[in-house]
Amino acid sequence: EPEVTQTPSHQVTQMGQEVILRCVPISNHLYFYWYRQILGQKVEFLVSFYNNEISEKSEIFDDQFSVERPDGSNFTLKIRSTKLEDSAMYFCASLSEELYGYTFGSGTRLTVV
Amino acid sequence: AQTVTQSQPEMSVQEAETVTLSCTYDTSESDYYLFWYKQPPSRQMILVIRQEAYKQQNATENRFSVNFQKAAKSFSLKISDSQLGDAAMYFCAYKIRGGADGLTFGKGTHLIIQP
Repeated sequence: EPEVTQTPSHQVTQMGQEVILRCVPISNHLYFYWYRQILGQKVEFLVSFYNNEISEKSEIFDDQFSVERPDGSNFTLKIRSTKLEDSAMYFCASLSEELYGYTFGSGTRLTVV
Repeated sequence: AQTVTQSQPEMSVQEAETVTLSCTYDTSESDYYLFWYKQPPSRQMILVIRQEAYKQQNATENRFSVNFQKAAKSFSLKISDSQLGDAAMYFCAYKIRGGADGLTFGKGTHLIIQP
């Protein structure tokens, strides 16, 4: 069964550093998403991406965040200057049609120290 | 704004028994999707079941079924013949039909299966 692949599985970074989280969505999916889950809390929508541009973004997705799909395969989330409160599990998801639900990756655990 | 409420932080059930997880939501929309996702300790998000709001018939996937009450804005998940592998966090989620906005999740219910 097709999978959404995320790398790395765990990233530790120092506060103020830039991080790039990588995702390879399912190849024939058209919509791509990033979600965040702070430990012990609910999953929160960050941003959606369609046709090589951002479609929607939440209040969490401020200027320190950016997304891109540089090569038609990878889908990346960049955090420019990480803060302690950015520590969370970050999930990538992709979607072909709404009815079938989202396929999530296994997540990247980001720890900011 | 849409909200999803899961009022049970934790539920416990004996293996082979049936358990129901509650979910209510608030929306002014009439056309939307509802989902249940399972998150085991590995923290992967796994789709369990989905429901289209325009369908009156409740969705069923093997041992998993839902009770969708559109007027009451309620979407509960029933797990029959509970198995040890069902132990996980379960998240209820909502998405308006169409548009590019993401899923709105509830806070989750931690399901414990007692052998």
